[in-house]
Amino acid sequence: NAGVTQTPKFQVLKTGQSMTLQCAQDMNHEYMSWYRQDPGMGLRLIHYSVGAGITDQGEVPNGYNVSRSTTEDFPLRLLSAAPSQTSVYFCASSYGGGGVVGELFFGEGSRLTVL
Amino acid sequence: QQPVQSPQAVILREGEDAVINCSSSKALYSVHWYRQKHGEAPIFLMILLKGGEQKGHDKISASFNEKKQQSSLYLTASQLSYSGTYFCGTRLILRDNYGQNFVFGPGTRLSVLP
Repeated sequence: NAGVTQTPKFQVLKTGQSMTLQCAQDMNHEYMSWYRQDPGMGLRLIHYSVGAGITDQGEVPNGYNVSRSTTEDFPLRLLSAAPSQTSVYFCASSYGGGGVVGELFFGEGSRLTVL
Repeated sequence: QQPVQSPQAVILREGEDAVINCSSSKALYSVHWYRQKHGEAPIFLMILLKGGEQKGHDKISASFNEKKQQSSLYLTASQLSYSGTYFCGTRLILRDNYGQNFVFGPGTRLSVLP
């Protein structure tokens, strides 16, 4: 079972470059989300989606864009990378029915370094 | 606003017990607990949906006090495999919409020594 698949696992960017982190899940989950994890800061919510065509901002959305055209995919776009975006990024999904976020299934993470 | 966790870190010997607390200044509608090993993704432990609910499996259990806006995770007779960082997570209701901001506390680092 694939679960939640994130690509790439590692990426190095230069300041000002743009890129897209891919996230795909094969569990037919309605709820998908992106987190960033910095040392000592825990997991901070960037954006989330409760279904195809529906996205919303989380705690730290600035500098990131998302879209949800299908149930399976939830890409995260960095518009103009900055060193402050150096972090480990996790995509997570859940069945999210009835307003309840169920067990979150996480991808393996994408380690991004911005020089 | 993130939940608050305490303690920030704890060191145990095998067989000892630990309690990790999670509290919020806003109403908690449900609480999740996750464990993360270094370099890995967080793994789900359990979810508590109702005030007063208690859950557990093996020697890890949790309680949820909705009125006090807090939850506690109990690790009994800890094993080496329990080492890692524990996060509580909850859904925040922001603004007046039916948002599903699911946010995590800052984590509690647990080290179990032989």
